[in-house]
Amino acid sequence: TQLLEQSPQFLSIQEGENLTVYCNSSSVFSSLQWYRQEPGEGPVLLVTVVTGGEVKKLKRLTFQFGDARKDSSLHITAAQPGDTGLYLCAGGGNAGGTSYGKLTFGQGTILTVHP
Amino acid sequence: NAGVTQTPKFQVLKTGQSMTLQCAQDMNHNSMYWYRQDPGMGLRLIYYSASEGTTDKGEVPNGYNVSRLNKREFSLRLESAAPSQTSVYFCASSRSRGGNQPQHFGDGTRLSIL
Repeated sequence: TQLLEQSPQFLSIQEGENLTVYCNSSSVFSSLQWYRQEPGEGPVLLVTVVTGGEVKKLKRLTFQFGDARKDSSLHITAAQPGDTGLYLCAGGGNAGGTSYGKLTFGQGTILTVHP
Repeated sequence: NAGVTQTPKFQVLKTGQSMTLQCAQDMNHNSMYWYRQDPGMGLRLIYYSASEGTTDKGEVPNGYNVSRLNKREFSLRLESAAPSQTSVYFCASSRSRGGNQPQHFGDGTRLSIL
């Protein structure tokens, strides 16, 4: 069974601060996806990273996939109240393995950005 | 632009009652999934259907059954509800089974078992 440890579980910061959320595993994933979820709604995909060492930027959000494809990070620069929400990482199973075609989710990080 | 539609949005059941959660997608996706979300535990896969006509167990299948009715619809059934099944249930779909495929989620069914 593949596991993804996401940290921190809770993050409460002031507007303008920077933050980083981490996802770590002992397993290798074919991809790492990041989702954002708002109350009363389903998760919405932010980004997919597929290559070890890959870095993707989405405005103030920077996503990185570890060289060994076992871990990932999400960095937010100058956080805004609109960034408030639940952030979830999810690892894609490898072809040929029992987890192929399935996503393994981390526990989530609840981010609150205060004005 | 409906995407993934789940019904009902809320439901309260008594222990031992049965019910079916409905899910339909209009994106012509091949793969569909059922998850449950509990505080501090992220999303856990209950069952999935890689393509029409196939279903398979996920991480937490006990107490649930599924039916892939056609390419659009994937239902989840609780035969005899238990308080431990109180949760928020999400249906998702993806174009194909590949681990790189993004999943599109419905807005969830909030289920309470008394």
